[in-house]
Amino acid sequence: EDQVTQSPEALRLQEGESSSLNCSYTVSGLRGLFWYRQDPGKGPEFLFTLYSAGEEKEKERLKATLTKKESFLHITAPKPEDSATYLCAVQAGGSYIPTFGRGTSLIVHP
Amino acid sequence: NAGVTQTPKFQVLKTGQSMTLQCAQDMNHNSMYWYRQDPGMGLRLIYYSASEGTTDKGEVPNGYNVSRLNKREFSLRLESAAPSQTSVYFCASTASPLSTDTQYFGPGTRLTVL
Repeated sequence: EDQVTQSPEALRLQEGESSSLNCSYTVSGLRGLFWYRQDPGKGPEFLFTLYSAGEEKEKERLKATLTKKESFLHITAPKPEDSATYLCAVQAGGSYIPTFGRGTSLIVHP
Repeated sequence: NAGVTQTPKFQVLKTGQSMTLQCAQDMNHNSMYWYRQDPGMGLRLIYYSASEGTTDKGEVPNGYNVSRLNKREFSLRLESAAPSQTSVYFCASTASPLSTDTQYFGPGTRLTVL
């Protein structure tokens, strides 16, 4: 059973159509929740770290929020260049090793 | 700064062959990691090195060995490659061990084992 679950697996949007990606986790004792962007053929690139419920962070059209059991990555008025796979990772409990979700593949059509 | 670099970018091996994947970082980071990424799967940790001189197993260490050559370099060796090791391999680093520091990833090595 996955400790970190991302949904949906894939998402297709029209340019300008806002939506949200979800990352839910079952582990306790959250130390940090990370969002990464991964373009095809490249390594993951860091976006945000969230540490506690209620925290929010923004970068351009992206906004990440955190509750006690899940995080949302909100994409406002997306552009085709936002197309990528978005990965979520969680550090929790006694481990400082992050556990990654399987990712959400986002395609934004012009 | 180049960040995290990996060589080679692509490799094709036959079953039973051996090879070493190289990783180097120029950010003076203490901790380094090796992951594999397979279609439909998240990044899975193979081995990590919290600091120079130490290495530990991750989630999927079987069939692999690592060497933390110095603070900059962390190599991954496949002694006898198997088709199940066909994957994309990523190296990452963080400034400090036992922290919530950001992981910086390399561009990956795409390995095919025939």
